[in-house]
Amino acid sequence: GNSVTQMEGPVTLSEEAFLTINCTYTATGYPSLFWYVQYPGEGLQLLLKATKADDKGSNKGFEATYRKETTSFHLEKGSVQVSDSAVYFCALSDRGTGNQFYFGTGTSLTVIP
Amino acid sequence: EPEVTQTPSHQVTQMGQEVILRCVPISNHLYFYWYRQILGQKVEFLVSFYNNEISEKSEIFDDQFSVERPDGSNFTLKIRSTKLEDSAMYFCASSEVLGNQPQHFGDGTRLSIL
Repeated sequence: GNSVTQMEGPVTLSEEAFLTINCTYTATGYPSLFWYVQYPGEGLQLLLKATKADDKGSNKGFEATYRKETTSFHLEKGSVQVSDSAVYFCALSDRGTGNQFYFGTGTSLTVIP
Repeated sequence: EPEVTQTPSHQVTQMGQEVILRCVPISNHLYFYWYRQILGQKVEFLVSFYNNEISEKSEIFDDQFSVERPDGSNFTLKIRSTKLEDSAMYFCASSEVLGNQPQHFGDGTRLSIL
């Protein structure tokens, strides 16, 4: 079946540090992969996506590359800011098995000045 | 930018009572979804809805749950007789098309069952 496994949190980083949040997946078909971000008190916002192997999604300095060989979609940012403090969710959708999204557990990131 | 809006932001209800959670999807979207997130756990799919009928539902979505699109703008989730374990954050989402495209989420309704 489909599932997403996400790096356990919480993660605390100093401003300008490098961020990696690991995400691996299992899927029966050809999934699309997403990162969503949830700022305090808000809903889930799409951060970036990749729809096929070797695609790189990027937005607001965040990047993630769809690696089929390692079934991974790790989120990275070269220099985090305090405003990046949020919960990050990795997700997949696999049209071959329906329209629902499968989410990871979420990783809480706190960036300190 | 258009958004999915959900009301109320927080609902407190006695166990056994009926509750209706409301959502206004993005206006040109055709596909609607409900998810829930129990505190500290994953965001879980409940149901998807298209063309005025349920297109998929999970094991969580039992007979206690129902969805409706009562007019051209609202999309509701009803829980008939709430249980303590229904306490969670409920997210509504919508998408314009199918096919591994992003779903756009509301801010959620926090449901607390006493």
